[in-house]
Amino acid sequence: NAGVTQTPKFRILKIGQSMTLQCTQDMNHNYMYWYRQDPGMGLKLIYYSVGAGITDKGEVPNGYNVSRSTTEDFPLRLELAAPSQTSVYFCASSYREGSYEQYFGPGTRLTVT
Amino acid sequence: DQQVKQNSPSLSVQEGRISILNCDYTNSMFDYFLWYKKYPAEGPTFLISISSIKDKNEDGRFTVFLNKSAKHLSLHIVPSQPGDSAVYFCAAPVGGYSTLTFGKGTMLLVSP
Repeated sequence: NAGVTQTPKFRILKIGQSMTLQCTQDMNHNYMYWYRQDPGMGLKLIYYSVGAGITDKGEVPNGYNVSRSTTEDFPLRLELAAPSQTSVYFCASSYREGSYEQYFGPGTRLTVT
Repeated sequence: DQQVKQNSPSLSVQEGRISILNCDYTNSMFDYFLWYKKYPAEGPTFLISISSIKDKNEDGRFTVFLNKSAKHLSLHIVPSQPGDSAVYFCAAPVGGYSTLTFGKGTMLLVSP
């Protein structure tokens, strides 16, 4: 199993551009999550999904959108990128409710200039 | 407002000694805690957890202690090894659907 994979690993965006961060898991996990980590800070939850077609906002959802059309994929969309979105983005998955152990991807480092 | 707090940004210990990483929480309803380890340029990986029905959980060199009255938990690594050098996050489930809230992390440096 590859676990949780994320693409791209690095990206530089200009202010106002858009992009999609890809996340795929092959563990048949129902729950998936997007976090961002700013320097010296913990991980902040952006969005999460409990199954295909079901998504909900986390702590810091502004400026982002998600979709979940399959169990495996959970892309994160940035519209009109801003410098405040410069961060490292992690996707994670867990099996089900009550399974608190989350499996993380390697992250995408995004810079908006 | 942070519900899980790691007040020490960094910790340096010598190889073979004990490393103690601390975490405080504010919500007395929290009943489960996790520690994650993160190497540079990698995602966090689960290390060890503890339920509030216990006050200690051990896994090899790693032990987590929970003091519910003080709303405090600690991760002990004995003996510390250079490969343990990483950032350690404590986390707790919050808000349902297994969502977690994380502390800011403590960077551990174990020197030979």
